[in-house]
Amino acid sequence: QQQVRQSPQSLTVWEGETAILNCSYENSAFDYFPWYQQFPGEGPALLISILSVSDKKEDGRFTIFFNKREKKLSLHIADSQPGDSATYFCAASYSNNRIFFGDGTQLVVKP
Amino acid sequence: NSKVIQTPRYLVKGQGQKAKMRCIPEKGHPVVFWYQQNKNNEFKFLINFQNQEVLQQIDMTEKRFSAECPSNSPCSLEIQSSEAGDSALYLCASSGTGGERLFFGHGTKLSVL
Repeated sequence: QQQVRQSPQSLTVWEGETAILNCSYENSAFDYFPWYQQFPGEGPALLISILSVSDKKEDGRFTIFFNKREKKLSLHIADSQPGDSATYFCAASYSNNRIFFGDGTQLVVKP
Repeated sequence: NSKVIQTPRYLVKGQGQKAKMRCIPEKGHPVVFWYQQNKNNEFKFLINFQNQEVLQQIDMTEKRFSAECPSNSPCSLEIQSSEAGDSALYLCASSGTGGERLFFGHGTKLSVL
């Protein structure tokens, strides 16, 4: 059973637009939600994360919106840049347990 | 820059051959994870360690896969008899005892011909 789901599978936006990446999860016990950014040929790198006690987390151009009741969250990338073109993974974990990953959203930012 | 060091970056093996890859976790990180990422970007958790002891592992790991994290030596993941379906990117990650913030290496890309 897929614990973490992401949509869309791929997304194309123009430079300067806001990219919105969606994520949902199954297990209500999840309390930590990191987003990873992965470039081709590289390992994933932590981009931003949120705990379930918060409903929003901002870090520069990146913002996570979290809805615990609906078990959904989204990553907003404001003023998208071509260098943001990568695959983004939503993940979830709880209480010192292993992290479950979604299947990723491939983002392309066109100049 | 990743502080988790994985070697080799690329590994090519024939079916039935042994494949071994290594990982040096970030200094001070007692928890080490191995994940398999396939060509569809799907992550599959394989095993994790805390201070050389296995915390969790999947059934697959108990058969052809073996892993260890000896003290004062790199961690390793070994596939005893490689199969075509094992072709994937093998990612090592390390973290503190909270297991939350994972730092990944660049991965070892295994191709089984």
